[in-house]
This record gives sequence, C-alpha cells and structure tokens, in this order.
Amino acid sequence: DTAVSQTPKYLVTQMGNDKSIKCEQNLGHDTMYWYKQDSKKFLKIMFSYNNKELIINETVPNRFSPKSPDKAHLNLHINSLELGDSAVYFCASSPRASGYNEQFFGPGTRLTVL
Amino acid sequence: DQQVKQNSPSLSVQEGRISILNCDYTNSMFDYFLWYKKYPAEGPTFLISISSIKDKNEDGRFTVFLNKSAKHLSLHIVPSQPGDSAVYFCAANPNSGNTPLVFGKGTRLSVIA
Repeated sequence: DTAVSQTPKYLVTQMGNDKSIKCEQNLGHDTMYWYKQDSKKFLKIMFSYNNKELIINETVPNRFSPKSPDKAHLNLHINSLELGDSAVYFCASSPRASGYNEQFFGPGTRLTVL
Repeated sequence: DQQVKQNSPSLSVQEGRISILNCDYTNSMFDYFLWYKKYPAEGPTFLISISSIKDKNEDGRFTVFLNKSAKHLSLHIVPSQPGDSAVYFCAANPNSGNTPLVFGKGTRLSVIA
C-alpha cells in the first residue's frame, strides 16, 4: 500500500533522448513536488504543484516539463537529455502547500544519461 | 549559498549510546524545521519536526532541540540502534507562502553493534 510511488525506479538512456518519470500519491494530498538529488547529495526542489497548478519553479531548464493531470499525479518529462541530468529524482507530496506540514517522498528514480 | 548546513558528513556511534546530529541555518525567516531519515535506494522518510515557538520536541527515542539565537538545531537519538544507521537530512522553511523546504546535505549515521 504505497503512499507515493514513482516509475521507473531506474532509467538508463542516451544523451539527446526524451524520457518521462511518473509519480502518483494515494494520500489525498493537495501538493506534489519534484526534487533532484545530484552527485553532491543535495536535495533540491525543482517544481511544486498545488491542486494541479504550478506554484514553484526553481529556475529549472525548460527541457524539464512537469505535468499534473490531477492532484494525485505529477509526471516529469525531460527533453534532449544531457549528461548533467544524471541524478536521483524524488517525487513528494504534502497535505497543503504552506504551513507546518511534512512532505512524504517516493522511492526515487535513478536516471543515468550516457 | 547553503542556507541549511550539516557540517558532519558522517558519524559513528556505539549501539546503546546517544547519537547527536547537528544542523545550522542562516535564514532567520525559517521557522519550521524537520528531520528526515533515508535508507539506501529509498526516499527520505519524515522523522520529527519542530516549530520556532518551541525549543524541544520529543518522540520516543528521538528528540529535536532548537536554539533560535544560535540558528542551530540538533537531533538526539537515544539509545541508538543498528537500525538507525541511515543518512539524516535536516530541512527548514518559513511558515508562510509557498516556499519550498531547504535541505541540508545530510549526515550518514552508522550505529555499530
């Protein structure tokens, strides 16, 4: 009974390809996020959606396009993949966008760009 | 510019002893702080939080202390158990607006049996 799930768990692809990562949460939360954990191990916010609306976009290249078909799903599409995109991508959700509330994370998707 | 700093990349503690993980922050607007625990190949799991109106929050073996004047918080685990071995992330955000959590770089705790 997974709360926040991501697919795929591992993704290996060539430079220049386009790929998508899917995320779903069954917690009934209003807000979802994408984080990137790079080789230096920092967890950095990329995007946040609240009730399907984009509320945070942290200067991520426009090759990254999030899509939220409904508030339980937040997918991440990446065009023209580059070597520097190799990282672990985490999806997360929280009950609301602001205030005192913790975020629940998915298991991560390890993306390797060759 | 790291707004949340965990200056110890790793820590080793004997089973049964106390583990103390430290975190410093620079943004005085932060007023909500969280600790997450992460096992390999899994996502971070929420552990404990504290708001700036408190200086201590306790949950079982885990206690978080907040020193606002020093912009410092710490996580105490006592007694430490081998299953506590993981990477611990400190995170913070202001309780206003849609401001994202800012994470530290993490401290890897190893509890030795």
